[in-house]
Amino acid sequence: DAGVIQSPRHEVTEMGQEVTLRCKPISGHNSLFWYRQTMMRGLELLIYFNNNVPIDDSGMPEDRFSAKMPNASFSTLKIQPSEPRDSAVYFCASSYGPGRGQSEQYFGPGTRLTVT
Amino acid sequence: AQSVSQHNHHVILSEAASLELGCNYSYGGTVNLFWYVQYPGQHLQLLLKYFSGDPLVKGIKGFEAEFIKSKFSFNLRKPSVQWSDTAEYFCAVTGGSTLGRLYFGRGTQLTVWP
Repeated sequence: DAGVIQSPRHEVTEMGQEVTLRCKPISGHNSLFWYRQTMMRGLELLIYFNNNVPIDDSGMPEDRFSAKMPNASFSTLKIQPSEPRDSAVYFCASSYGPGRGQSEQYFGPGTRLTVT
Repeated sequence: AQSVSQHNHHVILSEAASLELGCNYSYGGTVNLFWYVQYPGQHLQLLLKYFSGDPLVKGIKGFEAEFIKSKFSFNLRKPSVQWSDTAEYFCAVTGGSTLGRLYFGRGTQLTVWP
């Protein structure tokens, strides 16, 4: 398996622009997680899905952030409009959900976002 | 909800020194426990995990961790560190949720001098 795939790996954009981050989870996994990592705040969970349904989005910073999971093999995290304080590394992770008794998460390589 | 504490923010050691990183959690029910490692510029990778059974768990690269339920702890150990162990280490624990969410500690930066 190729593991969790994220694109793009690097994104540089100007303040006010829309940014879309993409994630393909490991085939067969039914939970998907979006994290943000910064020096100041460490690793933060933004939102997670189970069977394509958002379970907890309380970590989403504000309405500028939105996430979707239209099917089991694809998810997006969108920031509109972007701001410099959104600069961070965004990780996607996937795992088997409930019923399998396992909750090990597999992380993607991350997207390094820079908003100027 | 679960909370995870890693008391050491930055640990500096010389090669061949022994390592112990602390991790404590708050939720008193059944938990699964993990240690992840993040090498510079890379993503998080699983180091070891505990679901049940022997509370002493062995992972990759000579790392081990001990689950002590009475102390709500899952400390990471390595008898002799190497320069290549320089990385950030995260403890993670499941909580009351059964939907696969992990609660991460803030991480411990380990620097090993050759």
